[in-house]
Amino acid sequence: GESVGLHLPTLSVQEGDNSIINCAYSNSASDYFIWYKQESGKGPQFIIDIRSNMDKRQGQRVTVLLNKTVKHLSLQIAATQPGDSAVYFCAETNAGNNRKLIWGLGTSLAVNP
Amino acid sequence: NAGVMQNPRHLVRRRGQEARLRCSPMKGHSHVYWYRQLPEEGLKFMVYLQKENIIDESGMPKERFSAEFPKEGPSILRIQQVVRGDSAAYFCASSRGDNYGYTFGSGTRLTVV
Repeated sequence: GESVGLHLPTLSVQEGDNSIINCAYSNSASDYFIWYKQESGKGPQFIIDIRSNMDKRQGQRVTVLLNKTVKHLSLQIAATQPGDSAVYFCAETNAGNNRKLIWGLGTSLAVNP
Repeated sequence: NAGVMQNPRHLVRRRGQEARLRCSPMKGHSHVYWYRQLPEEGLKFMVYLQKENIIDESGMPKERFSAEFPKEGPSILRIQQVVRGDSAAYFCASSRGDNYGYTFGSGTRLTVV
């Protein structure tokens, strides 16, 4: 079936370093991708999104890269801070599936001071 | 703007009881999505509703689960005769439907004892 998965279940980085979280998707019809951050006991928090007609999008300290050729998505966090510690999910959707989000398993990011 | 409101935040039910989870979407949002999350997993789509209509319930278990989004009032996810396997966090997201933007609530954590 269609799925979205992550390469790394856990990631540990030093404060101030850059973090890269990867995601693979299998549905070539997906046209919209979102990265979410989820802290313990809280709901998913939107970080950044990207549409399939783009290959890069930047926000504040975050960048999302989309490689449609290999169906790969990544989230880059610059100058990682302790407050970035959380589980990060990628999600994908398309107009043909009623815009429901298909989620990966998540990557736990731990920032060491 | 209060955001997406879910209540209760925590719900404990004995096996065989009924659970009712409520979701009030953001003001101006008429599309509601329900997702379920098991510990250390990604979210799984359950149902997509618009006012007074179920649009997509492909993720809903065939028995015991139902959802509604009446003309007035919150969306309700109802689980009858709960079993321990129903223990999870249930998240609601709302959108305006004219783009892909979603806002998530803080979730209801259901524990079946």
